[in-house]
Amino acid sequence: DGGITQSPKYLFRKEGQNVTLSCEQNLNHDAMYWYRQDPGQGLRLIYYSQIVNDFQKGDIAEGYSVSREKKESFPLTVTSAQKNPTAFYLCASSRGDWAYEQYFGPGTRLTVT
Amino acid sequence: GQQVMQIPQYQHVQEGEDFTTYCNSSTTLSNIQWYKQRPGGHPVFLIQLVKSGEVKKQKRLTFQFGEAKKNSSLHITATQTTDVGTYFCAGKAMDSNYQLIWGAGTKLIIKP
Repeated sequence: DGGITQSPKYLFRKEGQNVTLSCEQNLNHDAMYWYRQDPGQGLRLIYYSQIVNDFQKGDIAEGYSVSREKKESFPLTVTSAQKNPTAFYLCASSRGDWAYEQYFGPGTRLTVT
Repeated sequence: GQQVMQIPQYQHVQEGEDFTTYCNSSTTLSNIQWYKQRPGGHPVFLIQLVKSGEVKKQKRLTFQFGEAKKNSSLHITATQTTDVGTYFCAGKAMDSNYQLIWGAGTKLIIKP
């Protein structure tokens, strides 16, 4: 069964701690993306990767880091430098560049107190 | 910067009434995509429009892409409870290879 998995679904952390969100896809897609969604708002791009071992900053990359060591995996680390980390984080993938539809994972809801 | 304005932010309708959401871009788009996000869920791709003036239908949903490729709309005829959710448009600027520009979404609420 092909798709994108994100874990965990809910994550709670204390301020000052780094936390890594997992994203795995078995769709054989080249491109992967991380978005942040705040209540009642649209999606904002954090990072994206169009090929393995390469990634680019999106609009709100500050306080986040990523890696793309394998085609299937694109983990996101929310560092303590991110001022407002509480949000819903969505991972997506697509066959190629921005001309292709994006498939989203179920998301991780991060709460930092 | 480049942006896509999506209106309205919310729309309350009685079941059976029609619903429309509009997206207007500050720049010409090469394509526009539409997604639906159910409450508590994740966005799901609905359709992509590429050609100027294109109209596509999916059952009760009609999608349009403007002649100037700067605006788009989604119209739902005779809404049902299964239509509840937030509808997003996302377009790629024609003069840029950099990312999709997302609208803020329109939330469809069915009045009881």
